[in-house]
Amino acid sequence: SYVLTQPPSVSVAPGLTARISCGGNNIESRSVHWYQQKPGQAPMLVVCDDIDRPSGIPERFSGSNSENTATLTISGVEAGDEADYYCQVWDSSTNHWVFGGGTKLTVL
Amino acid sequence: QVQLVESGGGVVQPGRSLRLSCAASGFNFTSHGMHWVRQAPGKGLEWVSVISFDGSEKDYADSVKGRFIISRDISRNTLYVQMDSLRIEDTAVYYCARESIHGSGSDYMDVWGKGTTVIVSS
Repeated sequence: SYVLTQPPSVSVAPGLTARISCGGNNIESRSVHWYQQKPGQAPMLVVCDDIDRPSGIPERFSGSNSENTATLTISGVEAGDEADYYCQVWDSSTNHWVFGGGTKLTVL
Repeated sequence: QVQLVESGGGVVQPGRSLRLSCAASGFNFTSHGMHWVRQAPGKGLEWVSVISFDGSEKDYADSVKGRFIISRDISRNTLYVQMDSLRIEDTAVYYCARESIHGSGSDYMDVWGKGTTVIVSS
């Protein structure tokens, strides 16, 4: 089965840029989606299809996908961005949806 | 507005059954595949099951295959999951989620419910 690997944690000072990686074999051939989950809340889609932002998501959130790594980039990080972030793809070989293990973003 | 509301969670003994429901409103229920995703205490998200927009296709994570059954009732705009032979490791918050619209070529989950908690304990 397809595996997505994320760093457990990322820390960044306010106003700087956070980059959260999502590794997978030839992940660039798949569409990668990113979800934000704050404590006690349901996940929320922040980036879809590698680079698109759903309505209402600030431009500070962006995505990229190349070779074996997809990346969620948050520019001008704010305290309110502190959350867990998950990447997700669809595995066509099994028709299963796959989540990465999640990355806890800490704003220093 | 677009909304998903889960219900049916509770405390259940190992080996027993439980049925979760997810009431959908504010959108055309028959235009979207629907998912169940769970999150064990302190853990990450785990995809559980999917049902296609028309109910013709269903799939399950290996961890629940043969024990869980997903279904949908278009007359009630409701998604279900029947969970049998529950195990302690099934303890989690269960979320239902809407998949991007059928025919879009995308496979993300764009609307989520708040979740319902299932505790399997003796």
